[in-house]
Amino acid sequence: GENVEQHPSTLSVQEGDSAVIKCTYSDSASNYFPWYKQELGKRPQLIIDIRSNVGEKKDQRIAVTLNKTAKHFSLHITETQPEDSAVYFCAATSLSGYSTLTFGKGTMLLVSP
Amino acid sequence: DVKVTQSSRYLVKRTGEKVFLECVQDMDHENMFWYRQDPGLGLRLIYFSYDVKMKEKGDIPEGYSVSREKKERFSLILESASTNQTSMYLCASRETDLGLAGYNEQFFGPGTRLTVL
Repeated sequence: GENVEQHPSTLSVQEGDSAVIKCTYSDSASNYFPWYKQELGKRPQLIIDIRSNVGEKKDQRIAVTLNKTAKHFSLHITETQPEDSAVYFCAATSLSGYSTLTFGKGTMLLVSP
Repeated sequence: DVKVTQSSRYLVKRTGEKVFLECVQDMDHENMFWYRQDPGLGLRLIYFSYDVKMKEKGDIPEGYSVSREKKERFSLILESASTNQTSMYLCASRETDLGLAGYNEQFFGPGTRLTVL
């Protein structure tokens, strides 16, 4: 089955800095990669996703890049703000059959004012 | 606008008790999931269901069972609760895959923090 590794487990940055979270996956058949944000005490929510036919996707201050050859994908947050503080989860799945998401272990991002 | 709800936010049970965690979604989704979330371990899939009365084991099904008698409701059952089942339990639902055309967003419930004493 799929295995997703996520690094780092914790990340502290100053407000305004950039933050990068990296994930690797094992199943070459995986072709869909979402990122979820979970604020303290709240449910995970989808913030951005990317499919394998695209190398990069951007939505305002967040972007995701995908390297299919190396089987890794990354979340980039620019101009971080305190409200970006949360746990971020990457995930992977293949768009086939009754697919399920395999999640990474999460990254706790702390943005200090 | 909450779309996935769970019966309890906090639950305290004793070892050996039978525990029911209920999840309801109002989006008419075929697929429903139960995860447990533990610090440093991320979200691990316990069971999922892609249709009424259908169920499939996830990565960590041991000690759990599920029931899906109606499309909107998916229950997680701990037949005999143990202390190592103390955790946050998250329910989720999503529309059936569009195949290669896309993957529908998965929506999570607020979670149930279960403590087994």
